[in-house]
Amino acid sequence: DIQMTQSPSSLSASVGDRVTITCRASQSISTYLNWYQQKPGKAPKVLIYTASSLQTGVPSRFSGSGSGTDFTLTISSLQAEDFATYYCQQSHNTPWTFGQGTKVEIK
Amino acid sequence: QVQLQESGPGLVKPSETLSLTCTASGGSISRYYWSWIRQPPGKGLEWIGYIYYSGSTNFNPSLKSRVSISVDTSKNQFSLRLSSVTAADTAVYYCVRDPSGTDSGAFDIWGQGTMVTVSS
Repeated sequence: DIQMTQSPSSLSASVGDRVTITCRASQSISTYLNWYQQKPGKAPKVLIYTASSLQTGVPSRFSGSGSGTDFTLTISSLQAEDFATYYCQQSHNTPWTFGQGTKVEIK
Repeated sequence: QVQLQESGPGLVKPSETLSLTCTASGGSISRYYWSWIRQPPGKGLEWIGYIYYSGSTNFNPSLKSRVSISVDTSKNQFSLRLSSVTAADTAVYYCVRDPSGTDSGAFDIWGQGTMVTVSS
């Protein structure tokens, strides 16, 4: 199985801050990397697919980069509605696997 | 746009079989792959397995011996069965469109999720 490791596990930030979350795969996954946002009591929602493509309807303050084993999700200016948990997920090989999540909290 | 809705018992006894059904509306499940994902309370996401509309399946090796997924295209439904459950199987279960064969390569359509508790 491909292990996905996110860092940090949690962070505190203020509205307007630039936030960066990293995800590392245990082996190369090319750009088969997706990012999801999950709010409490809700299903996850895809933000970024194939490492850097913005899902339709997702604000442009979200961006993704990386290839191989190292990936980044950036929120350029954190908004109140962005406080949530973020997961990376690889679609290179089954079993599809997720990172452990990064909880973004209000400072 | 397809919408997904899970249904099934919210409480299952230890050693019994968990059974859930996902019903799709607003579109056909044909031509795509469909997955089940679960999330224990306060924890992360685990992919359980997928089924193609034709019936072919692929399961997470960690659960393979206990899992089956079936499809009924006439009802636009697919179903999960997980046998010999324990408290560790307590989770929110989501039905989701699988990345395979989609333009995005991501889990792009999710049900709202259903909580299943394993307890006597």
